[in-house]
Amino acid sequence: AQRVTQPEKLLSVFKGAPVELKCNYSYSGSPELFWYVQYSRQRLQLLLRHISRESIKGFTADLNKGETSFHLKKPFAQEEDSAMYYCALRAEGYSTLTFGKGTMLLVSP
Amino acid sequence: DAGVTQSPTHLIKTRGQQVTLRCSPKSGHDTVSWYQQALGQGPQFIFQYYEEEERQRGNFPDRFSGHQFPNYSSELNVNALLLGDSALYLCAAGGSGNTIYFGEGSWLTVV
Repeated sequence: AQRVTQPEKLLSVFKGAPVELKCNYSYSGSPELFWYVQYSRQRLQLLLRHISRESIKGFTADLNKGETSFHLKKPFAQEEDSAMYYCALRAEGYSTLTFGKGTMLLVSP
Repeated sequence: DAGVTQSPTHLIKTRGQQVTLRCSPKSGHDTVSWYQQALGQGPQFIFQYYEEEERQRGNFPDRFSGHQFPNYSSELNVNALLLGDSALYLCAAGGSGNTIYFGEGSWLTVV
């Protein structure tokens, strides 16, 4: 069975500081990894997926199969980045997601 | 707009009662999944429906059941409610290889 681990419940940074939200996974096959974000009182929405290798709102994430990690990074945090971030894994041939417990990012002015 | 609509948004039930939650996916999204998100936790997969049949199921008891209609909308039913069933229930629509879109969820409180 697959598992997603987000070791930090809360990450608090100042505006303009770099941000790295950690995500590690365990899965024997070739996974598809995602980051979802949930702003206050809003629905869960896709931030980015590893196969598209794009940068959304300044965030990037690289899949490291050797370290089984998919950390989310942003060089300069903004206050509007404050939200709950979830890392998720989709196993080969499946359309369901396995989520981590989430990390709350709090960006202070 | 993700196009996934859930109802009701909030409801309160008593232990032992039964509840039905509803989900309408975006047009063209024929696969519907349900997730339970307890406070402080990430969403946990309950089950998935495709072509009106349950295709996959997570680690949830038989008290949790569902249905999918010909128009792809879906219901989640929970019988014999327990206090521990209090959570946000999320509906997700999409399919293999497609982006998965989530609804805003239904907040269930069991008292």
